Amino acid sequence: QSALTQPPSASGSPGQSVTISCTGTSSDVGGYNYVSWYQHHPGKAPKLMIYEVSKRPSGVPDRFSGSKSGNTASLTVSGLQAEDEAHYYCSSYAGSNNPVVFGGGTKLTVL
Amino acid sequence: EVQLVESGGGLVKPGGSLRLSCAASGFTFSNAWMSWIRQAPGKGLEWVGRIRSKGHGGTTDYAAPVKGRFTISRDDSKNTLYLQMNSLNAEDTAVYYCAHYGDAEYFQHWGQGTLVTVSS
Repeated sequence: QSALTQPPSASGSPGQSVTISCTGTSSDVGGYNYVSWYQHHPGKAPKLMIYEVSKRPSGVPDRFSGSKSGNTASLTVSGLQAEDEAHYYCSSYAGSNNPVVFGGGTKLTVL
Repeated sequence: EVQLVESGGGLVKPGGSLRLSCAASGFTFSNAWMSWIRQAPGKGLEWVGRIRSKGHGGTTDYAAPVKGRFTISRDDSKNTLYLQMNSLNAEDTAVYYCAHYGDAEYFQHWGQGTLVTVSS
């Protein structure tokens, strides 16, 4: 069982918006502004999409945005495109004893 | 262009050992904190451990399930990260990824992974 809870699946039609949640505790998501999101197409290298809750690396479309409220972080994908179909994983810093925790992943389907 | 290429995966019997390598290029490896992350079949990602740069002591941290069995090391002269895995069991079956930390607690780049299967 993963430390962070994500819905196993999410879906939306092209052009729509979809939000994926990532729920942790005050010891991880709620305690630090170190939530990151990764996109993973099977067989390929995972790709950083969002870091430090809401920052976007160079090259990531601004259709991807991140936020956090309390112990829950969210990834929103606006203007869905076919290539956005992938698995998405959240991650959070969780302190020096167990620095990194991940969510179980959400499979995003573009209908 | 940053590249991380893992190798060394394969089939190993329970109780056996395996060493994974990760060849890095496109960034200053000696300054980088590096990590190993794994994904068991049908499961989510699991952090395995990390190694700091020599400038930050070159020290390591490990996840509880692998502590005492796995060892992360680095050879900055070869731009290569290693994961020595001992006393392997079926629960260690996974695709193992190496990843490069960004400026803070996130993974800026990942490799494509190498599959480790522990089975008799």
